[in-house]
Amino acid sequence: AQKITQTQPGMFVQEKEAVTLDCTYDTSDPSYGLFWYKQPSSGEMIFLIYQGSYDQQNATEGRYSLNFQKARKSANLVISASQLGDSAMYFCAMREGWNNQGGKLIFGQGTELSVKP
Amino acid sequence: EAGVAQSPRYKIIEKRQSVAFWCNPISGHATLYWYQQILGQGPKLLIQFQNNGVVDDSQLPKDRFSAERLKGVDSTLKIQPAKLEDSAVYLCASSLLRVSYNEQFFGPGTRLTVL
Repeated sequence: AQKITQTQPGMFVQEKEAVTLDCTYDTSDPSYGLFWYKQPSSGEMIFLIYQGSYDQQNATEGRYSLNFQKARKSANLVISASQLGDSAMYFCAMREGWNNQGGKLIFGQGTELSVKP
Repeated sequence: EAGVAQSPRYKIIEKRQSVAFWCNPISGHATLYWYQQILGQGPKLLIQFQNNGVVDDSQLPKDRFSAERLKGVDSTLKIQPAKLEDSAVYLCASSLLRVSYNEQFFGPGTRLTVL
């Protein structure tokens, strides 16, 4: 069964507008972490933001925020004020187990974001 | 602070040949991961090391893939013999366990093409 689902293969957004990238996850472990990574065409994976399953508040990092809805098992990434440099693949990932600090990341299929000038 | 280094960046081989990839993690990072990323998909873990011991190799095709991390620092991933379906980007990542959320830092990857 797919543990991380990203249903939007591609998204377009106008420069300076906000965009939401969807991510749903499936786990029976009460302790887990959710991550978003950006992968530009150059190929490196760039960490953007993290949300722990016990975190009370939604994570924010600059223009990135994570809309965490635990009951719905969703962890959508919101990018505010899109910039041309935001054009890239975006991956949602999950690590299961709070004490499993060294655990592997399970990635979704990714969403390709294109920012239009 | 230097990032995760990988080499080579690109490799083209014929099927049934062997190939090796090298990774140097961020200094002090005890955990090292090798991921395989097939075009159009998210990365999938192949093997995870904690220092020089293997933590998880459940998705490593052990009949053709092998990996080692001598002295708990650098790591090499080998494929022998390569198949067409091994064409992918091989990403190395490392993490510092003292960070509670275990952010993984990725290298630039090695893009393998098997002809």
